[in-house]
Amino acid sequence: AQSVTQLDSHVSVSEGTPVLLRCNYSSSYSPSLFWYVQHPNKGLQLLLKYTSAATLVKGINGFEAEFKKSETSFHLTKPSAHMSDAAEYFCVVSGGISGTYKYIFGTGTRLKVLA
Amino acid sequence: DAMVIQNPRYQVTQFGKPVTLSCSQTLNHNVMYWYQQKSSQAPKLLFHYYDKDFNNEADTPDNFQSRRPNTSFCFLDIRSPGLGDAAMYLCATSRDGGGTGELFFGEGSRLTVL
Repeated sequence: AQSVTQLDSHVSVSEGTPVLLRCNYSSSYSPSLFWYVQHPNKGLQLLLKYTSAATLVKGINGFEAEFKKSETSFHLTKPSAHMSDAAEYFCVVSGGISGTYKYIFGTGTRLKVLA
Repeated sequence: DAMVIQNPRYQVTQFGKPVTLSCSQTLNHNVMYWYQQKSSQAPKLLFHYYDKDFNNEADTPDNFQSRRPNTSFCFLDIRSPGLGDAAMYLCATSRDGGGTGELFFGEGSRLTVL
């Protein structure tokens, strides 16, 4: 079975400072992991994904995440926050096997960026 | 270019009055999903189609139905909306239903029930 835990429901950072959003997962298979961002009244947009290639994954808008199997983590980082990064972020793990149709969502982390 | 398109973006209905939300995709993906997302919560899967094969989640109320007349279109029907059904409804697609493929989301349809 798969599960995902986002350790912080809310994170506040000042503009220009680093961002760290934490995600831990559990999976019986080699997982595929994703980070999505959702701005108010919008759909979810893919930031980046890990699919068993390089463990350090670079995404859009300067975000990156590192897959650490020993720690079962997939934390999202960005060196310098922008006001436009304020949004809800979801960590997602897939079923790990094509055709299982299951995407397990974390409960989300709301990022607030202070001027 | 929009790849997953949902209509309408905003829908207001009265208690008990049926509503239909639509989703179309230009990705030619096999799998289409409907999620319900309430305020400050993660999306909750209602059901999905693999091609024409319909799969209902065990806890999806009978009030929610879906149709997929062809690869490109999928509809969500709420037969008798209650106040608790007010939410954002998200349509998503995936190429192969899990594995390494990501979900592609539409912009969502926000339903208000008066």
